[in-house]
Amino acid sequence: TQLLEQSPQFLSIQEGENLTVYCNSSSVFSSLQWYRQEPGEGPVLLVTVVTGGEVKKLKRLTFQFGDARKDSSLHITAAQPGDTGLYLCAGRYGGSQGNLIFGKGTKLSVKP
Amino acid sequence: NAGVTQTPKFRILKIGQSMTLQCTQDMNHNYMYWYRQDPGMGLKLIYYSVGAGITDKGEVPNGYNVSRSTTEDFPLRLELAAPSQTSVYFCASSYSSRDGAKGTEAFFGQGTRLTVV
Repeated sequence: TQLLEQSPQFLSIQEGENLTVYCNSSSVFSSLQWYRQEPGEGPVLLVTVVTGGEVKKLKRLTFQFGDARKDSSLHITAAQPGDTGLYLCAGRYGGSQGNLIFGKGTKLSVKP
Repeated sequence: NAGVTQTPKFRILKIGQSMTLQCTQDMNHNYMYWYRQDPGMGLKLIYYSVGAGITDKGEVPNGYNVSRSTTEDFPLRLELAAPSQTSVYFCASSYSSRDGAKGTEAFFGQGTRLTVV
């Protein structure tokens, strides 16, 4: 059972298009994080959302945490080829603070 | 700045062999993690540790063992390698204060690509 469901799994778009990636769960998370991973590398943190309803912006990327703290979205405006990569959401849940769980990821390809 | 260092980067094992994947961090982080990532998939948590001497199982612990004798090191042991353990293994670390782990960034190593034949 996947605690964090990400959709879509794959996304191929043209440069300049907008896109949204979703991360959903039936569990409540104390925080959710978004990471980006490039081939042959480990994931690198993009943002952390902590408060229900929180919205954070990182240049062309907008992250939102659901009011109930069970879901999150990542919206990219005017995608660039440099945005290509695997986007992973991760969350901590349950009694153990060390339990950092990842979703399966969304593989994004932005074509020039 | 070294961060999280994993060795080896690549390894081929025969079925039934054993090996230890090494992981060390120089950031004085209390939390450390081991994940495996299969092709085209996200990361699955194998084991984690919230401090020296404390380890706990993650989502997929079977076939693996860990120890945490120091803050810096968190080795992952495969006792009887199986083809199902062919994967890329990532070690990560983060710092969390006693009042919670909200918002703490996990720093990852470069990964170890393991093939079991």
